[in-house]
Amino acid sequence: NAGVTQTPKFQVLKTGQSMTLQCAQDMNHEYMSWYRQDPGMGLRLIHYSVGAGITDQGEVPNGYNVSRSTTEDFPLRLLSAAPSQTSVYFCAAGGTRTDTQYFGPGTRLTVL
Amino acid sequence: AQKITQTQPGMFVQEKEAVTLDCTYDTSDPSYGLFWYKQPSSGEMIFLIYQGSYDQQNATEGRYSLNFQKARKSANLVISASQLGDSAMYFCAIAPSGTYKYIFGTGTRLKVLA
Repeated sequence: NAGVTQTPKFQVLKTGQSMTLQCAQDMNHEYMSWYRQDPGMGLRLIHYSVGAGITDQGEVPNGYNVSRSTTEDFPLRLLSAAPSQTSVYFCAAGGTRTDTQYFGPGTRLTVL
Repeated sequence: AQKITQTQPGMFVQEKEAVTLDCTYDTSDPSYGLFWYKQPSSGEMIFLIYQGSYDQQNATEGRYSLNFQKARKSANLVISASQLGDSAMYFCAIAPSGTYKYIFGTGTRLKVLA
Protein backbone atom coordinates (compact mmCIF):
# COMPACT_ATOMS: atom_id res chain seq x y z
CA ASN A 1 0.00 0.00 0.00
CA ALA A 2 1.41 3.36 -1.04
CA GLY A 3 -1.15 5.28 1.06
CA VAL A 4 -1.42 8.83 -0.30
CA THR A 5 0.84 9.87 -3.17
CA GLN A 6 1.39 13.33 -4.59
CA THR A 7 3.08 14.56 -7.73
CA PRO A 8 5.15 16.52 -8.39
CA LYS A 9 7.35 16.92 -5.28
CA PHE A 10 8.61 20.31 -6.40
CA GLN A 11 7.28 22.82 -8.90
CA VAL A 12 8.23 26.33 -9.97
CA LEU A 13 5.69 28.42 -11.84
CA LYS A 14 5.58 31.90 -13.24
CA THR A 15 2.80 34.26 -12.25
CA GLY A 16 -0.28 33.59 -14.34
CA GLN A 17 0.55 30.01 -15.25
CA SER A 18 -1.85 27.21 -14.44
CA MET A 19 -1.09 23.71 -13.26
CA THR A 20 -2.57 20.68 -11.56
CA LEU A 21 -1.23 19.04 -8.43
CA GLN A 22 -2.00 15.33 -8.45
CA CYS A 23 -3.13 13.30 -5.45
CA ALA A 24 -4.01 9.61 -5.34
CA GLN A 25 -4.83 7.19 -2.55
CA ASP A 26 -5.09 3.41 -2.45
CA MET A 27 -6.83 3.09 0.93
CA ASN A 28 -10.36 3.33 -0.51
CA HIS A 29 -11.14 6.22 1.82
CA GLU A 30 -14.15 8.37 1.00
CA TYR A 31 -12.81 11.61 2.39
CA MET A 32 -9.99 13.53 0.71
CA SER A 33 -8.72 17.03 1.27
CA TRP A 34 -6.10 19.59 0.29
CA TYR A 35 -4.19 21.76 2.75
CA ARG A 36 -1.54 24.39 2.34
CA GLN A 37 1.26 25.06 4.82
CA ASP A 38 2.90 28.45 4.98
CA PRO A 39 5.96 29.30 7.12
CA GLY A 40 5.13 29.72 10.80
CA MET A 41 1.58 28.51 10.33
CA GLY A 42 -0.28 25.29 10.65
CA LEU A 43 -1.99 23.65 7.73
CA ARG A 44 -5.09 25.34 6.33
CA LEU A 45 -7.87 23.55 4.49
CA ILE A 46 -8.33 24.54 0.83
CA HIS A 47 -10.94 22.10 -0.52
CA TYR A 48 -12.30 18.75 0.50
CA SER A 49 -14.39 15.92 -0.89
CA VAL A 50 -16.63 13.47 0.95
CA GLY A 51 -16.85 11.13 -2.00
CA ALA A 52 -16.70 10.88 -5.78
CA GLY A 53 -18.61 13.73 -7.37
CA ILE A 54 -18.85 15.75 -4.15
CA THR A 55 -16.53 18.63 -3.29
CA ASP A 56 -16.72 21.68 -1.07
CA GLN A 57 -14.66 24.67 -0.04
CA GLY A 58 -12.49 24.88 3.00
CA GLU A 59 -10.94 27.86 4.75
CA VAL A 60 -8.80 29.23 1.88
CA PRO A 61 -10.36 28.15 -1.47
CA ASN A 62 -9.75 31.23 -3.63
CA GLY A 63 -7.59 30.58 -6.67
CA TYR A 64 -8.01 26.81 -6.56
CA ASN A 65 -10.35 24.32 -8.20
CA VAL A 66 -10.94 20.65 -7.44
CA SER A 67 -12.94 17.78 -8.85
CA ARG A 68 -13.38 14.18 -7.75
CA SER A 69 -14.35 11.76 -10.48
CA THR A 70 -13.04 8.63 -8.73
CA THR A 71 -12.52 7.54 -5.14
CA GLU A 72 -8.78 7.31 -5.73
CA ASP A 73 -7.92 10.69 -7.26
CA PHE A 74 -8.36 14.27 -6.08
CA PRO A 75 -6.41 16.78 -8.20
CA LEU A 76 -5.95 20.42 -7.20
CA ARG A 77 -5.88 22.99 -9.99
CA LEU A 78 -4.30 26.41 -9.78
CA LEU A 79 -6.08 28.54 -12.32
CA SER A 80 -3.68 31.50 -12.56
CA ALA A 81 -0.77 31.17 -10.18
CA ALA A 82 0.14 34.08 -7.91
CA PRO A 83 3.17 34.56 -5.63
CA SER A 84 0.80 34.32 -2.65
CA GLN A 85 0.24 30.69 -3.60
CA THR A 86 3.86 29.83 -2.89
CA SER A 87 3.48 27.16 -0.25
CA VAL A 88 3.72 23.48 0.57
CA TYR A 89 0.59 21.60 -0.43
CA PHE A 90 -0.57 18.46 1.32
CA CYS A 91 -3.24 16.05 0.22
CA ALA A 92 -4.90 13.82 2.80
CA ALA A 93 -7.32 10.91 2.86
CA GLY A 94 -9.51 9.68 5.69
CA GLY A 95 -12.28 7.23 6.28
CA THR A 96 -11.78 5.71 9.65
CA ARG A 97 -14.12 5.67 12.58
CA THR A 98 -11.93 8.19 14.37
CA ASP A 99 -11.85 10.79 11.56
CA THR A 100 -8.10 10.32 11.25
CA GLN A 101 -6.53 11.59 8.05
CA TYR A 102 -3.34 10.34 6.44
CA PHE A 103 -1.25 12.80 4.55
CA GLY A 104 0.76 12.57 1.37
CA PRO A 105 4.41 13.67 1.25
CA GLY A 106 3.58 17.18 0.03
CA THR A 107 4.33 19.34 -3.01
CA ARG A 108 6.55 22.37 -2.61
CA LEU A 109 5.31 25.05 -5.01
CA THR A 110 7.10 28.30 -5.78
CA VAL A 111 5.42 31.00 -7.86
CA LEU A 112 7.75 33.64 -9.25
CA ALA B 1 -15.62 28.38 14.97
CA GLN B 2 -12.77 26.29 16.23
CA LYS B 3 -9.31 27.30 17.33
CA ILE B 4 -6.14 25.55 18.42
CA THR B 5 -3.43 27.28 20.43
CA GLN B 6 0.07 25.92 20.84
CA THR B 7 1.96 28.37 23.03
CA GLN B 8 5.40 26.75 22.91
CA PRO B 9 7.18 27.67 19.67
CA GLY B 10 10.20 25.58 20.64
CA MET B 11 11.24 23.13 23.33
CA PHE B 12 14.30 21.16 24.32
CA VAL B 13 14.36 17.83 26.12
CA GLN B 14 17.17 15.54 27.16
CA GLU B 15 17.27 12.12 25.54
CA LYS B 16 15.37 9.46 27.55
CA GLU B 17 13.37 12.07 29.47
CA ALA B 18 9.64 12.73 29.11
CA VAL B 19 8.29 15.91 27.56
CA THR B 20 4.85 17.52 27.41
CA LEU B 21 3.73 19.61 24.44
CA ASP B 22 0.83 21.93 25.21
CA CYS B 23 -2.34 22.30 23.20
CA THR B 24 -5.46 24.23 24.13
CA TYR B 25 -8.54 24.47 22.01
CA ASP B 26 -11.80 26.30 21.62
CA THR B 27 -14.90 24.89 20.00
CA SER B 28 -18.66 25.16 20.12
CA ASP B 29 -19.17 21.68 18.69
CA PRO B 30 -20.45 19.15 21.21
CA SER B 31 -18.56 16.29 19.61
CA TYR B 32 -15.07 16.60 18.18
CA GLY B 33 -11.78 14.87 17.71
CA LEU B 34 -8.31 16.00 18.69
CA PHE B 35 -5.23 14.90 16.77
CA TRP B 36 -1.48 15.17 17.00
CA TYR B 37 0.85 14.99 14.01
CA LYS B 38 4.62 14.94 13.77
CA GLN B 39 6.46 16.72 10.97
CA PRO B 40 10.15 15.80 10.77
CA SER B 41 12.60 17.87 8.79
CA SER B 42 11.83 15.75 5.73
CA GLY B 43 8.43 17.41 5.66
CA GLU B 44 5.84 14.66 5.79
CA MET B 45 2.94 14.74 8.24
CA ILE B 46 2.83 11.64 10.43
CA PHE B 47 -0.27 10.81 12.46
CA LEU B 48 0.52 10.11 16.12
CA ILE B 49 -2.59 9.95 18.24
CA TYR B 50 -6.33 10.66 18.38
CA GLN B 51 -8.66 11.57 21.24
CA GLY B 52 -12.42 11.73 20.91
CA SER B 53 -14.26 14.30 23.00
CA TYR B 54 -16.46 11.64 24.55
CA ASP B 55 -13.68 9.16 25.24
CA GLN B 56 -13.48 8.46 28.95
CA GLN B 57 -9.85 7.47 28.95
CA ASN B 58 -6.78 9.31 27.72
CA ALA B 59 -5.46 7.95 24.44
CA THR B 60 -2.13 6.16 24.30
CA GLU B 61 -0.05 4.94 21.36
CA GLY B 62 3.27 3.44 22.35
CA ARG B 63 5.44 6.24 23.80
CA TYR B 64 2.77 8.83 23.04
CA SER B 65 -0.09 9.67 25.33
CA LEU B 66 -2.62 12.43 25.26
CA ASN B 67 -3.44 14.22 28.51
CA PHE B 68 -7.03 15.23 27.80
CA GLN B 69 -8.67 17.67 30.21
CA LYS B 70 -12.03 18.51 28.71
CA ALA B 71 -13.06 21.11 31.27
CA ARG B 72 -9.82 22.99 30.71
CA LYS B 73 -10.03 22.45 26.94
CA SER B 74 -6.54 21.10 26.79
CA ALA B 75 -5.08 18.13 24.91
CA ASN B 76 -1.41 17.95 25.74
CA LEU B 77 0.87 15.41 24.08
CA VAL B 78 3.22 13.51 26.35
CA ILE B 79 6.23 11.76 24.84
CA SER B 80 7.92 9.36 27.20
CA ALA B 81 11.57 8.29 26.96
CA SER B 82 12.46 10.82 24.26
CA GLN B 83 14.66 9.69 21.39
CA LEU B 84 16.81 11.70 19.02
CA GLY B 85 14.38 10.78 16.24
CA ASP B 86 11.61 12.61 18.08
CA SER B 87 13.17 15.94 17.06
CA ALA B 88 10.52 17.47 14.81
CA MET B 89 7.60 19.90 14.59
CA TYR B 90 4.48 18.73 16.35
CA PHE B 91 1.02 19.93 15.38
CA CYS B 92 -2.21 19.70 17.32
CA ALA B 93 -5.49 19.73 15.37
CA ILE B 94 -9.22 19.62 16.05
CA ALA B 95 -12.19 18.66 13.88
CA PRO B 96 -15.93 18.34 14.50
CA SER B 97 -16.78 14.67 14.62
CA GLY B 98 -17.51 13.16 11.22
CA THR B 99 -16.19 16.11 9.22
CA TYR B 100 -12.40 15.66 8.82
CA LYS B 101 -12.22 19.48 8.58
CA TYR B 102 -9.11 19.96 10.65
CA ILE B 103 -8.04 23.22 12.23
CA PHE B 104 -4.34 23.12 13.04
CA GLY B 105 -2.25 24.97 15.58
CA THR B 106 0.99 26.69 14.64
CA GLY B 107 3.10 23.86 15.98
CA THR B 108 5.88 23.28 18.51
CA ARG B 109 9.43 22.51 17.43
CA LEU B 110 10.95 19.87 19.68
CA LYS B 111 14.68 19.28 19.86
CA VAL B 112 15.94 16.20 21.68
CA LEU B 113 19.45 16.59 23.08
CA ALA B 114 21.92 13.73 23.33
